[in-house]
Formats: sequence, structure tokens, C-alpha cells
Amino acid sequence: AQSVAQPEDQVNVAEGNPLTVKCTYSVSGNPYLFWYVQYPNRGLQFLLKYITGDNLVKGSYGFEAEFNKSQTSFHLKKPSALVSDSALYFCAVRDEGGGSYIPTFGRGTSLIVHP
Amino acid sequence: DSGVTQTPKHLITATGQRVTLRCSPRSGDLSVYWYQQSLDQGLQFLIQYYNGEERAKGNILERFSAQQFPDLHSELNLSSLELGDSALYFCASSVEDRHQETQYFGPGTRLLVL
Repeated sequence: AQSVAQPEDQVNVAEGNPLTVKCTYSVSGNPYLFWYVQYPNRGLQFLLKYITGDNLVKGSYGFEAEFNKSQTSFHLKKPSALVSDSALYFCAVRDEGGGSYIPTFGRGTSLIVHP
Repeated sequence: DSGVTQTPKHLITATGQRVTLRCSPRSGDLSVYWYQQSLDQGLQFLIQYYNGEERAKGNILERFSAQQFPDLHSELNLSSLELGDSALYFCASSVEDRHQETQYFGPGTRLLVL
């Protein structure tokens, strides 16, 4: 069975500082990992995904995520946060060893970037 | 803009009523997924269609049903509505039905049941 956890409901960071939004996962096979962002009253927007290869994945809007197999984590990072990055962030996982192609989403982490 | 469209954007209705939500996937996408987002339950997968056929079912109530038409648009039908059905309903689409596929989400339909 596949599962994903976002341990922080909210992350606060000052503008210009680096940000990290945490995600850990559990799968029986190889993981396929995704990050999405949701702005208020909008749908989820795809940021980046890890399929295989480089552990550091670069995505949209300057975001990147680091895949760590030993720690079963896929944390989202950005070197310098912007106020406009304030939004709800979702991590999702698909298990190559599972019988379904339906991803499991985390409960989301609210990122608040203070001016 | 993801290329996925949903109508209507907002819907206000009364308990016991029936509504239909519509989704048009991105051009070329064969797979359509429906999700329900509420504050207490997070993002819940409801049902998936692939090229007109039901492919996977999640936490979808028996009062809810969906279909995908030959032109690949999809409709989600919600009947005998209850207050607890108030939520955001998202449609997503992907090209194929594989592990590495990215889902692209529509803007959602906000349903309020009074």
C-alpha cells in the first residue's frame, strides 16, 4: 500500500529566506513522487515530479525537490522565498509495486511567506 | 491555465437535490479523475475513467455517479445531496494511465448544499 505524509500543517518563512516543505512516503515498490501547489480558489498546479535518475529534481517557479530513498523523503525546497509563494502545497505518491495508478495525496502544507 | 475546464464554477443547491458537474480534459488526454476536497477530509479520490471506461474507484458514495463520453468529456452526478457534500470538486486529466503520468487539474466546482 502507498501512503504519504506531510508532517507540518503550516510552514512560516520570511521573504528571501530558504524554504523547505517536508514530505515522506511509504511504498512497496519504486515510488513516483509529485509536488503540486494550490493557490486560493484555484485548482492544483503541477510543480515537479521524480520518476527515476537524479535525486534533485528541478521544477516550476524556482522550486526543487530532493529524493532521498534511505529516508523515504521528497522535500520541496526553494533557495529564496517570495511572498507570492504563499499557498497550499501537496505531495503525492504512486507505488510502482501497487496495483493502481491512482496517486495518494498528502493532506497539504500551508506555506506562509512573510514580507 | 492547465487546459482542463470545469463548469460550473459555483453551485448552490438544497438538500435532496441532484446536480451535474462537467469536466473537459486537456486535448489528447484519455484519462479523467474526479476528486473531492473538503477541509476535514483533504483531497479524496472519487473515480477515474480512461477512454470512456471506468478504470478505478475510490471513496465515491453510491449517491454519486460519473461517466465519460465519446468526446472524452466527463460528468459527475451527485444526487440526494446532503449538507456534508458541500466541497470543492476537482477534475484532473492525464494523457495515459501510468505511474509516471502527471495529472493536470481543473479550476474546480465549489458546491454549497443548503
